[in-house]
Amino acid sequence: GAVVSQHPSWVICKSGTSVKIECRSLDFQATTMFWYRQFPKQSLMLMATSNEGSKATYEQGVEKDKFLINHASLTLSTLTVTSAHPEDSSFYICSARWWGIGDNSPLHFGNGTRLTVT
Amino acid sequence: GENVEQHPSTLSVQEGDSAVIKCTYSDSASNYFPWYKQELGKGPQLIIDIRSNVGEKKDQRIAVTLNKTAKHFSLHITETQPEDSAVYFCAASINQGGKLIFGQGTELSVKP
Repeated sequence: GAVVSQHPSWVICKSGTSVKIECRSLDFQATTMFWYRQFPKQSLMLMATSNEGSKATYEQGVEKDKFLINHASLTLSTLTVTSAHPEDSSFYICSARWWGIGDNSPLHFGNGTRLTVT
Repeated sequence: GENVEQHPSTLSVQEGDSAVIKCTYSDSASNYFPWYKQELGKGPQLIIDIRSNVGEKKDQRIAVTLNKTAKHFSLHITETQPEDSAVYFCAASINQGGKLIFGQGTELSVKP
């Protein structure tokens, strides 16, 4: 159980276009999801915390107007990279926590989305 | 805020040997410390975690130790196998539901 699915697994887009990445909790409800960004051979950097039914909380230095996060249901959060530029090319990973047993469940991660902006 | 330091950045061992990865954290309020394994092109996979009320936890060939006073925790892998080769990340958070702050990662290579 506790599977997190991300879609697409990879995407190539042109500069100036927008890309939407979906994160779904397949067999549990996730009131909170986290979005991370990872550059090659580097660690995961938290971008924002996504809460179902409310606005996302962004980490310092992350542009909320560029990285739009929507968490409209207990099983789906989306990250939209708007007006993408080559420097936005990265590996984006979401994670979700299973609230089924309160505050005692670990974070489970999706398999990431490789974004390449040309 | 929390800062997690992880060492070494790369580790190469012979199959069957043990591997140890160490992390330190800065925020004494952190009380949850998971370890993740990430294979190339995939998301991190939780392999073991420990809470601050426990000093050691073991799961088959994997063990984690925690020293709250010194604010450091370690991952121990015994009888390493080639399939253990991956990047390992430690992390820390305040409560299990809090946001995770990751270490820099350790690239483990197990040579057959």
